[in-house]
Amino acid sequence: EAQVTQNPRYLITVTGKKLTVTCSQNMNHEYMSWYRQDPGLGLRQIYYSMNVEVTDKGDVPEGYKVSRKEKRNFPLILESPSPNQTSLYFCASRVTSNQPQHFGDGTRLSIL
Amino acid sequence: GNSVTQMEGPVTLSEEAFLTINCTYTATGYPSLFWYVQYPGEGLQLLLKATKADDKGSNKGFEATYRKETTSFHLEKGSVQVSDSAVYFCALSVNNFNKFYFGSGTKLNVKP
Repeated sequence: EAQVTQNPRYLITVTGKKLTVTCSQNMNHEYMSWYRQDPGLGLRQIYYSMNVEVTDKGDVPEGYKVSRKEKRNFPLILESPSPNQTSLYFCASRVTSNQPQHFGDGTRLSIL
Repeated sequence: GNSVTQMEGPVTLSEEAFLTINCTYTATGYPSLFWYVQYPGEGLQLLLKATKADDKGSNKGFEATYRKETTSFHLEKGSVQVSDSAVYFCALSVNNFNKFYFGSGTKLNVKP
């Protein structure tokens, strides 16, 4: 079954404690993205990747890092989380640039 | 810059009513336009898309036409069902589909 899997699904943590949200896809997709969803703002793109070792900033990259060492994985790293990063995060992948995105089920982060 | 504006919700309709959700955009260059749907607790799913002016995207009875002259991509359905209750997001993509911009979402409630 084609899947985009995010872990964890829920996390409550404290300011400054480094965390990583993993994203893995089993469809051999080249393109992957991270988004955050906030009430009244819709989804905003954080980072995207066009292939292994190729990443670029989206609209709201501040405070986040990503890496793409293998095609299937695209982790989102918060080196020093702050309360304004409390949000619902989605990872998405697609096979080529003009094909539909497949979204994961989301990760709800609460930074206290 | 690039942005998407869609009508605020929630929109509440009776089953079999006609649905319109307005979406307008501003973009540099020639964007592709999308409607996504999000059911509770899930990630987004592509509903339909249009990649050039005057294209009509359609799926599951939903339609939207890319209107360059009015910079709009309004979503319509002739007869909604209870199962259509969800949040609908209008989005645009530029930079060869690498960058995505989403509207704030419109929640649709359909009552039996």
